[in-house]
Amino acid sequence: QVQLQEAGPGLVKPSQTLSLTCAVSGGSVSTGGYSWSWIRQHPGKGQEWIGDMYYSGTTYYNPSLKSRVTISIDTSKNEFSLKLSSVTAADAAVYYCARSREYSQGKWFDPWGQGTLVTVSS
Amino acid sequence: QSVLTQPPSVSGAPGQRVIISCTGSSSNIGAGYDVHWYQQLPETAPKLLIYGNNNRPSGVPDRFSGSKSGTSASLAITGLQAEDEADYYCQSYDSSLSGSVVFGGGTKVTVL
Repeated sequence: QVQLQEAGPGLVKPSQTLSLTCAVSGGSVSTGGYSWSWIRQHPGKGQEWIGDMYYSGTTYYNPSLKSRVTISIDTSKNEFSLKLSSVTAADAAVYYCARSREYSQGKWFDPWGQGTLVTVSS
Repeated sequence: QSVLTQPPSVSGAPGQRVIISCTGSSSNIGAGYDVHWYQQLPETAPKLLIYGNNNRPSGVPDRFSGSKSGTSASLAITGLQAEDEADYYCQSYDSSLSGSVVFGGGTKVTVL
């Protein structure tokens, strides 16, 4: 079964770029029918979708974050990445990667990685 | 403020039935987009519980069921067990937000 594992710095300075990767095992990022997603959860709050990328290169981003987000896929490493620029304290959260399945009436996320906590502080 | 509204908490005794509501609007649930539910046990990642309004992934007990009507959806847990104590989130798609995925704020289920 597919498993996902996030990796990256747990501490980012304000105004810098947050960079995370998600290693995929038990499956391939180039598998058709799925996209690869990032979702975050602020402390004590619900989830916030950040965006998705298909192997084809098509991306979808949350409109509220779109100007600062880049998601990319590295097929040679079977992983995908998130870059969020110009971070502020409001970007501190647990960041999850997930595989998403999209169809005509929406999309769902399964499985999810274990999550990685990102703190923003100088 | 989440686009989808859930009660902050519900509780029930072991064996009882609890229902969690998820209220949306005409641009998401009411527009015909499906609702999906996730269970998040303490200190763990969310896990898909229900997809496509009322479908259970393999391995999810049949005491969990979902439904959708109009601009709302519900998750029912029958025969509540201690291991069901967790946070539950609904999720859908919203056409008014440039095609954005939206989540509910979450409901904490407490087993008394």
